[in-house]
Amino acid sequence: GDSVTQMEGPVTLSEEAFLTINCTYTATGYPSLFWYVQYPGEGLQLLLKATKADDKGSNKGFEATYRKETTSFHLEKGSVQVSDSAVYFCALRVQGGSEKLVFGKGTKLTVNP
Amino acid sequence: SAVISQKPSRDICQRGTSLTIQCQVDSQVTMMFWYRQQPGQSLTLIATANQGSEATYESGFVIDKFPISRPNLTFSTLTVSNMSPEDSSIYLCSVGGGRGRNTEAFFGQGTRLTVV
Repeated sequence: GDSVTQMEGPVTLSEEAFLTINCTYTATGYPSLFWYVQYPGEGLQLLLKATKADDKGSNKGFEATYRKETTSFHLEKGSVQVSDSAVYFCALRVQGGSEKLVFGKGTKLTVNP
Repeated sequence: SAVISQKPSRDICQRGTSLTIQCQVDSQVTMMFWYRQQPGQSLTLIATANQGSEATYESGFVIDKFPISRPNLTFSTLTVSNMSPEDSSIYLCSVGGGRGRNTEAFFGQGTRLTVV
């Protein structure tokens, strides 16, 4: 079945540090890939997405590249801020079936000043 | 995009009782999804709610425990029945942006349920 494996957390960084959160997937079809973010006390928001191989999604300084050969979609940011503290979820959706998302377990990021 | 209003935002309930969560969308959508997020865990899909038909439940979830209504294209409810402390979770309503590859899902703020 479809699944997403995400780097275990929690991750604690200092402000301006480099962030990588690893995400790999298995899918029966050709998935679209997403990163969602959940800030404390809030619902999920889409951070970025990529729909085909070699696409790079980017938003708010975050980037992730759809790597079909390694079935990966790692999230990166060159310089994190305290305001980036949140839980990050990698997710996939396989086209042609239902529109449901399959999520990774989430990675909690804390950025200290 | 879609704006989703979910209520209640949180509740504390006694075991053995039931809670109905409401989800209102600001536009008509074909599919609505209900997810559960247990403490420290990821989101797990409970069921897909289509207007005019029975909800489709994922493995491990049954209609008697999580009955769903979908009376029209902008509204759905999820009931958590005969609650136990293990049902303490965040429940989220979601709608997809459509069947295209370049579509995203939108989520409500969630209902934080504590069963005591």
